[in-house]
Amino acid sequence: GAVVSQHPSWVICKSGTSVKIECRSLDFQATTMFWYRQFPKQSLMLMATSNEGSKATYEQGVEKDKFLINHASLTLSTLTVTSAHPEDSSFYICSASFTGATDTQYFGPGTRLTVL
Amino acid sequence: AQSVTQLGSHVSVSEGALVLLRCNYSSSVPPYLFWYVQYPNQGLQLLLKYTTGATLVKGINGFEAEFKKSETSFHLTKPSAHMSDAAEYFCAVIFSGGYQKVTFGTGTKLQVIP
Repeated sequence: GAVVSQHPSWVICKSGTSVKIECRSLDFQATTMFWYRQFPKQSLMLMATSNEGSKATYEQGVEKDKFLINHASLTLSTLTVTSAHPEDSSFYICSASFTGATDTQYFGPGTRLTVL
Repeated sequence: AQSVTQLGSHVSVSEGALVLLRCNYSSSVPPYLFWYVQYPNQGLQLLLKYTTGATLVKGINGFEAEFKKSETSFHLTKPSAHMSDAAEYFCAVIFSGGYQKVTFGTGTKLQVIP
């Protein structure tokens, strides 16, 4: 149980284009979803927290106009990297938690973004 | 300031040897504590967690961790390392009042030598 998927698993795009990454909870309703960024050989850094039907809460230093997060349903959250640049290349990981088990986050497999 | 520290970015053990990965936190109130494992190019898998109750927590794949309040530690152990244990391990913490916000340690890469 508590499976989270991400799509795509990897994506390559040209500089200046936008990329959308989906995060889905497959067997539970995710009241809260989280988006992390992980640089090579580094730990995960929280980018934003989103609750279904509400605007996302961004961490300090994260550009909300560049990283658009939508949590339209209890099983889907999307992260759109707008006007991507090479420095946005990274491993993006989402996680989700649900009511009754808010102390535990279940992680997706991650999406490797490479911006050329 | 609240923080989580993992001692040793790289740990090498022989197959069959004891695995000990260290994690300490800085907080006056005991937080929720987690250990996650990450294999290359994959997401994180929860190994075990401590929230309340028994301080010795058993997880998957033979791992366990003990919460020691006096030492503000939550070290991860496994009696006998297996080749498949080679991965990156992250200690993570939800501090009191943090409302689900997870703070990750910097990670420890475990190498298992045959």
